[in-house]
Amino acid sequence: GNSVTQMEGPVTLSEEAFLTINCTYTATGYPSLFWYVQYPGEGLQLLLKATKADDKGSNKGFEATYRKETTSFHLEKGSVQVSDSAVYFCALKRETSYDKVIFGPGTSLSVIP
Amino acid sequence: DTEVTQTPKHLVMGMTNKKSLKCEQHMGHRAMYWYKQKAKKPPELMFVYSYEKLSINESVPSRFSPECPNSSLLNLHLHALQPEDSALYLCASSQPGGGVQETQYFGPGTRLLVL
Repeated sequence: GNSVTQMEGPVTLSEEAFLTINCTYTATGYPSLFWYVQYPGEGLQLLLKATKADDKGSNKGFEATYRKETTSFHLEKGSVQVSDSAVYFCALKRETSYDKVIFGPGTSLSVIP
Repeated sequence: DTEVTQTPKHLVMGMTNKKSLKCEQHMGHRAMYWYKQKAKKPPELMFVYSYEKLSINESVPSRFSPECPNSSLLNLHLHALQPEDSALYLCASSQPGGGVQETQYFGPGTRLLVL
């Protein structure tokens, strides 16, 4: 079946450190891939997305590249800030219209000054 | 604008109460979703409406009753809930027919506590 695996953390980094959150997926066909972020006490925000192989999604200094050969979509940021502290969900959506988003378990990130 | 709004932000209800959660979007999206999220877990799909018709019900108990009165609004009616139903309820919307281009945008959620 379709599934998403990601490192669960918690991950604790110092401000300005480099961030990588690994995400791998299992899916048939050609899904879209997403990173959503959830700040404490809030709903989900779309951080970035990629819809085909080798696409790179980017937003707010975060990047992720859709790697079909390794079925991966790792999230990276060169220099994290305290305000990046949140839970990050890797997700996929199949090609079918109005279908559910399949989420990974989420990775909790804490950035300390 | 990619905003989905939800009211109320917080809700406390007893097990015999009837309450409703509301969701609204003005992006012209024709698919709307309810997800349930327990603490420290990812969201789980409950219902999908496409073009105001219920298209997916993920075997949700009948004490949850969705309603889509028009293309911009989605309600979730709650009755006789159990304490284990306490969670964050998230609404989302998307424009169907986009295949892999289809992106779901989420609201801020309603945090529900059932006593």
